[in-house]
Formats: sequence, structure tokens, C-alpha cells
Amino acid sequence: GAVVSQHPSRVICKSGTSVKIECRSLDFQATTMFWYRQFPKQSLMLMATSNEGSKATYEQGVEKDKFLINHASLTLSTLTVTSAHPEDSSFYICSAGEGGTDTQYFGPGTRLTVL
Amino acid sequence: KQEVTQIPAALSVPEGENLVLNCSFTDSAIYNLQWFRQDPGKGLTSLLLIQSSQREQTSGRLNASLDKSSGRSTLYIAASQPGDSATYLCAVGGRGNEKLTFGTGTRLTIIP
Repeated sequence: GAVVSQHPSRVICKSGTSVKIECRSLDFQATTMFWYRQFPKQSLMLMATSNEGSKATYEQGVEKDKFLINHASLTLSTLTVTSAHPEDSSFYICSAGEGGTDTQYFGPGTRLTVL
Repeated sequence: KQEVTQIPAALSVPEGENLVLNCSFTDSAIYNLQWFRQDPGKGLTSLLLIQSSQREQTSGRLNASLDKSSGRSTLYIAASQPGDSATYLCAVGGRGNEKLTFGTGTRLTIIP
């Protein structure tokens, strides 16, 4: 089956630094990638939708200047959390949609802890 | 705005019992509905995908039903095992890889 990877799986950083998370579709081309965040014991909330070669569409309440998304190729999307603060600590999960299908494949997630 | 609710939020049952998890959604104009499993600190594992034109899907001990008109879906787990302990999430989706709206999740514990 289709595989989506995320790197890193876990990151701890100091407040004020920027953190980049990668999401890769390993064996298929992903025309659309989604970024979700999940706070402890809560469900997944969509942050943004990115389409290859175009600007990401952010959900209401998500700061686009703080959460920079780049989808430069059909197999890679990156989420950069700029000037991270402790309240940004969360579990970030990406998913990738294979072109021409209705299926989304989810990555294993990245645990971000901001000290 | 689509809202997805899952009841109960948590459930504990003895091993071997059959159980039902519930999912409801407010906007019936969905394209599909999925059930996922999430283990603590891990990503999502897709269990079953039901297209809006379908009534149910089965995989092993799992059976998911969909009543689109009433905005409800159920996940039936037969002969539960301790390894079934996890959080179960349902999500409704639009056409062609549109965004998924997730439910609040049910945390399931199977007691050996």
C-alpha cells in the first residue's frame, strides 16, 4: 500500500526557534497534502491544504505566517513552525492524496515539544 | 460547517464481547466516511472506507455501516481482543481528496 513518511518523528526545541517538518509520499505522487494538528486527548484539526505548485489554503484561525507550508514537488510537502512557542507543542500529522483517487494516506506524525 | 461527534468518548468492555461505536455528522452531503484507529502517540491506521453510495463495509471482525440520510455511522467490533484497545476516529470527506473532518474519537479499552 501507499506509504507516507514524516521527519522528524519527534523534535524538542527552545522557544523562538523555527522547526521544519517534512512529509513525503514514498511510492506515489501526491497532488494534495493536508496538515493536521492534534492536542492531547483531542481529535485531529485540519490546519491547511496544500496543492503542488500553488499556495496552501489555510483553515480559519491558522496563522499562515507562523505555519509556513511548501509543496514544491509531488512527493514532498514541508511545514515550518516559525518562532515556536510552548503553545505550539502538539502532534502534527500530514496526509497525502493520490491523484485520481479519493484515498488519503496518513503519515506517522511528528511530536513537537517547545520548551 | 460539518461537525462530527462520536459517542461514547470512552468505553471499557471485557475481552470477547461484541461492541458498537457510534459516529454522527451534521451535514449529510458527504462523499465518504472512514474509520481510523490511533494507538497512543502514533499516527492513524485506516480501518474501513465507506463511499456515500454504500451501506456498509466489512474487514475481518470489523463492520462499518453508514446511514447517510440520518447522518450516522457505526463501527461494530466482534469478539473484542485486548489488542483492539486504541482510540477510534471517524472522519467524513468530500469528493476527490477534499479535506476530512474528524470526530472527537472513542477511547476503547478491552479488559483481559
